[in-house]
Amino acid sequence: SQTIHQWPATLVQPVGSPLSLECTVEGTSNPNLYWYRQAAGRGLQLLFYSVGIGQISSEVPQNLSASRPQDRQFILSSKKLLLSDSGFYLCAWSTRVGQPQHFGDGTRLSIL
Amino acid sequence: GESVGLHLPTLSVQEGDNSIINCAYSNSASDYFIWYKQESGKGPQFIIDIRSNMDKRQGQRVTVLLNKTVKHLSLQIAATQPGDSAVYFCAERSNDYKLSFGAGTTVTVRA
Repeated sequence: SQTIHQWPATLVQPVGSPLSLECTVEGTSNPNLYWYRQAAGRGLQLLFYSVGIGQISSEVPQNLSASRPQDRQFILSSKKLLLSDSGFYLCAWSTRVGQPQHFGDGTRLSIL
Repeated sequence: GESVGLHLPTLSVQEGDNSIINCAYSNSASDYFIWYKQESGKGPQFIIDIRSNMDKRQGQRVTVLLNKTVKHLSLQIAATQPGDSAVYFCAERSNDYKLSFGAGTTVTVRA
């Protein structure tokens, strides 16, 4: 069966520090991968999606970037974190764009 | 742009009663809809989906109804249990095949 892993579960970072969140999927090949941000009490905002290695689509202009160095690995990064980058970050995968997306358990990021 | 929204942000239901969670969508070209359940501190879990060529689909204790005429989607949970307490999201597939999510309804089950 397919599984998705995100780490770390929680992270506290100072303003201006770099960021690297990792997501890996097991049990499937060539998944579509997604990064979302969820503000408290709000829905999910799509940040990036990828349909293959090295292919990244950005949905909103922001201080973050994404990379897909391997088929089942998706990384969310920042060179310098802002206070507004605080939130709950979710990684998801699907077999095809638009099909049910399956989510990891997220990373709670707090910027101080 | 097009958006997905929920009629009520919170729903309180007595244990054992049926729950109905509503969702309105505005993109008449949407052809696929999903309901997710999100428990505190976790990622959303897939509950059930429905395609636009269907009006109703049933799962285990859950039923999704789709009314394309008024662009309305609902999730019915039968015999609501304490474990059903969570935030429920609807999502629609937009024209470019990405999913758009509503803001969520918080369901609280009273013992």
